[in-house]
Amino acid sequence: QSALTQPPSASGSPGQSVTISCTGTSSDVGGYNYVSWYQQHPGKAPKLMIYEVTKRPSGVPDRFSGSKSGNTASLTVSGLQAEDEADYYCSSYAGCNNRVVFGGGTKLTVL
Amino acid sequence: EVQLLESGGGLVQPGGSLRLSCAASGFTFSSYAMSWVRQAPGKGLEWVSAISGSGASTYFADSVKGRFTISRDNSKNTLNLQMSSLRAEDTAVYYCAKDLGRLCFDYWGQGTLVTVSS
Repeated sequence: QSALTQPPSASGSPGQSVTISCTGTSSDVGGYNYVSWYQQHPGKAPKLMIYEVTKRPSGVPDRFSGSKSGNTASLTVSGLQAEDEADYYCSSYAGCNNRVVFGGGTKLTVL
Repeated sequence: EVQLLESGGGLVQPGGSLRLSCAASGFTFSSYAMSWVRQAPGKGLEWVSAISGSGASTYFADSVKGRFTISRDNSKNTLNLQMSSLRAEDTAVYYCAKDLGRLCFDYWGQGTLVTVSS
């Protein structure tokens, strides 16, 4: 299974909004509403930020939001803060023998 | 508080074997599927294997199928990954992760490093 496609980098100034895309196929992103987004700071374990395309786990700020259109999912971070600087990974359930596929990751820089 | 603590990583020669374990606490372990996810140095995340809550069903990425086995001991709240015929490309930090549903992972361990090198 090929990885989902994410831009390698994204950036924004404090207070601005940034959107990270995640493109897959009809066999993963487009076929299921099971897209997740993870935040990973250097040397740390990933943290779940968004699941089932739009849902936020308890404790995740509402500055983080998710959406999906066709085979592309998106993560939007509004009101950027310094602590949002991290790597972000999308993933999608891919059915077929119960598999999940990840995106290559996007490094978000807060300028 | 959910805690996942991996152990068993280390340096192993190509072709060798290694067994990783993950000790879980803070939730009803047997009620949740679990997975192993790895991250090669400087690279992205790669799902490796999953196991159902009962342990009856297991799933593997093509890259490890036939070489890795996953198991769990629900009486000891422990998840295991037996790795054999290891290759240099298996070098990675291995994370155990709790499955919220449909391979979405709401809790992750701190990871254990596996290095395959001669």
